Amino acid sequence: QLQLQESGPGLVKPSETLSLTCTVSGGSISSNSYYWGWIRQPPGKGLEWIGNAYYTGSTYYNPSLKSRVTISVDTSKNQFSLKVSSVTAADTAVYYCASRAVAGTYFHHWGQGTLVTVSS
Amino acid sequence: QSALTQPASVSGSPGQSITISCTGTSSDIGSYNLVSWYQQHPGKAPKVIIYEVNKRPSGISNRFSGSKSGNTASLTISGLQAEDEADYYCCSYAGGSSVVFGGGTQLTVL
Repeated sequence: QLQLQESGPGLVKPSETLSLTCTVSGGSISSNSYYWGWIRQPPGKGLEWIGNAYYTGSTYYNPSLKSRVTISVDTSKNQFSLKVSSVTAADTAVYYCASRAVAGTYFHHWGQGTLVTVSS
Repeated sequence: QSALTQPASVSGSPGQSITISCTGTSSDIGSYNLVSWYQQHPGKAPKVIIYEVNKRPSGISNRFSGSKSGNTASLTISGLQAEDEADYYCCSYAGGSSVVFGGGTQLTVL
């Protein structure tokens, strides 16, 4: 059973870069069965897909965030990462990492989520 | 890529059935049988309850069922239980390896 765990700073200053890491256990990030994705949820609001990466390094981003987002995979550490540049208060959210099944394209396993607040 | 449209809230009494709709476009729900539904309790991560329109992951009660017609997908919960009170989100593949979520529906069990 895959387990995912987010880690990173809980507070980021406006205009800086938000950086989070997701550590995968119970399976290999080099599996061809999953994409590795990030989803966020502003306080009291709905879910927003940020993007996915495949173990080969291929990436796919939400068009509305594409210019500011980078997702990368580190197979040696069984981790994948998210960077969001030039953050504003609108980027304040709980950020979830998740495995997205290649077949069926649904988010199967989720991390517990981590709250990132953008404030000076 | 606009969010899928869900009712903000639905309610039902224990034992009843409720249906939550999720309306998209011909570019997402209408084009692919790749709709999934997620249940989220307060302070918890979402959990998949339906995938590929009408399939249930292992361990998910058969009280949850999904369907699709045209650009609209639906989630039906039968035999409502107090533990079903949660937020529900639909999600659809939208081409180009992208997905789009619905705005979410708060289910209240009266």
